[in-house]
Amino acid sequence: QSALTQPRSVSGSRGQSVTISCTGTSSDVGGYNYVSWYQQHPGRAPKLMIYDVSERPSGVPDRFSGSKSANTASLTISGLQAEDEADYYCCSYAGSFYVFGTGTKVTVL
Amino acid sequence: QAQLVQSGAEVKKPGASVKVSCKPSGYTFTSYGLTWVRQAPGQGLEWMGWISAYYGSTIYAQKFQDRVTLTTDTSTSTAYMDLRSLGFDDTAVYYCARGSGRHLDYWGQGTLVTVSS
Repeated sequence: QSALTQPRSVSGSRGQSVTISCTGTSSDVGGYNYVSWYQQHPGRAPKLMIYDVSERPSGVPDRFSGSKSANTASLTISGLQAEDEADYYCCSYAGSFYVFGTGTKVTVL
Repeated sequence: QAQLVQSGAEVKKPGASVKVSCKPSGYTFTSYGLTWVRQAPGQGLEWMGWISAYYGSTIYAQKFQDRVTLTTDTSTSTAYMDLRSLGFDDTAVYYCARGSGRHLDYWGQGTLVTVSS
């Protein structure tokens, strides 16, 4: 039950796009279309941003999008805004249990 | 709008146990499962386990299998996470979250558990 691998940090200027990768194995990310993404601001609880690889909950801006190819899922933030600066975690179903990613800090320059 | 309210911060000595409560509102308690996640200071999220609020069945992460017990009380619509044999590395914020499908759509505010001698 190893954590999924994410880059430690990514950055971009306001208005630009950034993509966060989430790499697992065929037992988790690659085996199921059940990848979700969570945004966490300092001192706050995580917030669901994407579920089932690419579905967006109501209220989440459409500049957030998700995708998956083989054992790697990705979260793209288009038109980066100041409030998007936060930590982001992926999470995958792994056949009865779940595993989170290592987390990525997004910095808006 | 669902809301999950957790119990307050705890300070425990090594070897002790802690029981954190989670009281959802805004939806039918038994219609969703509840997941527990923890986050050590400055670290990432860690999945601990899941409980069906309807059946009471549980799934635990292998790491916590021998030390954690998840329960629910349907009479009070409250979920509990009991962690035993605490060590310093159990110092963390513990979250409960509602499971909807294969994702977590509503989260509690978190409960800080500090293990200190």
